[in-house]
Amino acid sequence: GNSVTQMEGPVTLSEEAFLTINCTYTATGYPSLFWYVQYPGEGLQLLLKATKADDKGSNKGFEATYRKETTSFHLEKGSVQVSDSAVYFCALRENSGYSTLTFGKGTMLLVSP
Amino acid sequence: ETGVTQTPRHLVMGMTNKKSLKCEQHLGHNAMYWYKQSAKKPLELMFVYNFKEQTENNSVPSRFSPECPNSSHLFLHLHTLQPEDSALYLCASSQDLTATNEKLFFGSGTQLSVL
Repeated sequence: GNSVTQMEGPVTLSEEAFLTINCTYTATGYPSLFWYVQYPGEGLQLLLKATKADDKGSNKGFEATYRKETTSFHLEKGSVQVSDSAVYFCALRENSGYSTLTFGKGTMLLVSP
Repeated sequence: ETGVTQTPRHLVMGMTNKKSLKCEQHLGHNAMYWYKQSAKKPLELMFVYNFKEQTENNSVPSRFSPECPNSSHLFLHLHTLQPEDSALYLCASSQDLTATNEKLFFGSGTQLSVL
């Protein structure tokens, strides 16, 4: 079956530090990959996505590259802000037919001033 | 504002109570989902409805009973819950289940505490 593994949190950083949140996946086919973000007191919202190998998804300064050879989709940001404090979820979805998202456990990011 | 509204935001109930969670979407979507979010566990998909028909039930105990009267509304009826059912229950919607790279729109969730 499909699964997503994320690094354990919380990740604690100072403002303007570089961020990496690791994500690896197991899938039977060739999935699309996603990062969702959950700000305090809110539901999840899509942050970025990539649909095939070597694609790079980007949004709000965050980036992630679909690496088929390492089955990874690590999230990066060059300079984090306090407002980036949230829980980040990596997810995958098969590209064929009927399917639903498989999520990881989520990684909490705490950014201090 | 994501277009998906959940009520109530918080719910405390005893193990013998019956309560219902409500979800409403104004996005014209045809697929709706219930997820359970517990600390240090992956988001768990509970139920999926596509065009008002239930398409997935991920071995959820019968004390959770979903209802989808139309494409805009989704309910989760709760009865005789256990303390381990305490969690954040998230509703989501998407255009349908067949589009690739489908984006989910989530509500803010109902934080449920079972005493």
